[in-house]
Amino acid sequence: DAGVIQSPRHEVTEMGQEVTLRCKPISGHDYLFWYRQTMMRGLELLIYFNNNVPIDDSGMPEDRFSAKMPNASFSTLKIQPSEPRDSAVYFCASSLSSGGDEQFFGPGTRLTVL
Amino acid sequence: KQEVTQIPAALSVPEGENLVLNCSFTDSAIYNLQWFRQDPGKGLTSLLLIQSSQREQTSGRLNASLDKSSGRSTLYIAASQPGDSATYLCAVLSGSARQLTFGSGTQLTVLP
Repeated sequence: DAGVIQSPRHEVTEMGQEVTLRCKPISGHDYLFWYRQTMMRGLELLIYFNNNVPIDDSGMPEDRFSAKMPNASFSTLKIQPSEPRDSAVYFCASSLSSGGDEQFFGPGTRLTVL
Repeated sequence: KQEVTQIPAALSVPEGENLVLNCSFTDSAIYNLQWFRQDPGKGLTSLLLIQSSQREQTSGRLNASLDKSSGRSTLYIAASQPGDSATYLCAVLSGSARQLTFGSGTQLTVLP
């Protein structure tokens, strides 16, 4: 398996623009997680899905952030409108089940909002 | 709310030394604890996963222990090599929301 795939790897955009980050989890994994990493706050869970259904989105910072998982092999994290403080590395991770199994992380998307 | 602390924040050792990285957590009701490695500008690589019922896990030169009652875990690296230089992150899975909470990491430098 190729592991968790994220695209794009780098994104530079201007304040106010819409940004869409994409993730393909490991085949067969039924949990998908979105994290954000910054120097100030470290790694934080934004939202996670089980069998394509959002379970906990309490980490989503604002209504400007939204996430979808239309099928078992694809998820998006959208920021609209983007702001400079959204600049961070966004990671997607997947696991076979929550509670027992390892989470496997993608390479991340480095987002810079000017 | 679960809090995870890693000490030290940075560590520099000469090649060949054995070393220990520490992780502590405030809520002992965890499902598992995972150690990750992160290289600069890269994603996280899972090193070891310890279930709450386990005391330790080993993989090659790495050994991780878990003392759930005291809220502590250690990652032992034997015979360190320059290629071990990276940031090591500890994370615990806990809570009704089954959230993975990360420590801030230990930045390890192994000098040749």
